[in-house]
Amino acid sequence: QLQLHESGPGVVKPSETLSLTCTVSGGSIRRSEYFWGWIRQSPGRGLEWIGTIFYNGSSTYNPSLKNRVTLSVAASVNQFSLRLSSVTAADTAIYFCARRKESQKPWDYWGQGTLVAVSS
Amino acid sequence: DIQMTQSPSSLSASVGDSVTITCRASQSVTKYVHWYQQRPGQAPKLLIYAASSVQRGVPPRFSGGGSDTHFTLAITGLQPEDFATYYCQQTHIPPRTFGQGTKVEVK
Repeated sequence: QLQLHESGPGVVKPSETLSLTCTVSGGSIRRSEYFWGWIRQSPGRGLEWIGTIFYNGSSTYNPSLKNRVTLSVAASVNQFSLRLSSVTAADTAIYFCARRKESQKPWDYWGQGTLVAVSS
Repeated sequence: DIQMTQSPSSLSASVGDSVTITCRASQSVTKYVHWYQQRPGQAPKLLIYAASSVQRGVPPRFSGGGSDTHFTLAITGLQPEDFATYYCQQTHIPPRTFGQGTKVEVK
């Protein structure tokens, strides 16, 4: 059974960089038919797609966040990561990692989510 | 970005009732709308994909329909575990946007 698990700090200071890692177990991140992504959820913005990455490092980002987001993948340890720079209170949210198949498919496996608060 | 508008924002129902949730897209998304259920403290769970296909393991009381800009999620015979929030998502045109959610509450 595929499982995804987010990890990282629960609090980040304003203007600093949020960093999260998603560890995938029960399946290989190298499978060519799958894409891996980050979605966040907050009361003000609802569910918001952040970005998607393929095992070879190819990535796409939400234009609203593109200048601040970087996704990376460490296929050898079945992990992928999110970095979001210059955070503000508006970036306070639950961050989920997830998997989908090829283009136009939904997210079919999700991590349980991790709450990140931006606070000094 | 494509706007996905769900209605109603919330509804009250009883166990055994049948309910329908609507999702409207601001432009055509063909058949690429999916439905998720989210219980408190949990991640969204995929129920319906490509408008009307039921995800493996999802009970048949859940069904989806629609195309173009108008989509529906129906639950026939609500069970206690169905009281949750439901979201639609379009994946036809990036960025792949979600609706704001419909909360199904106990009457």
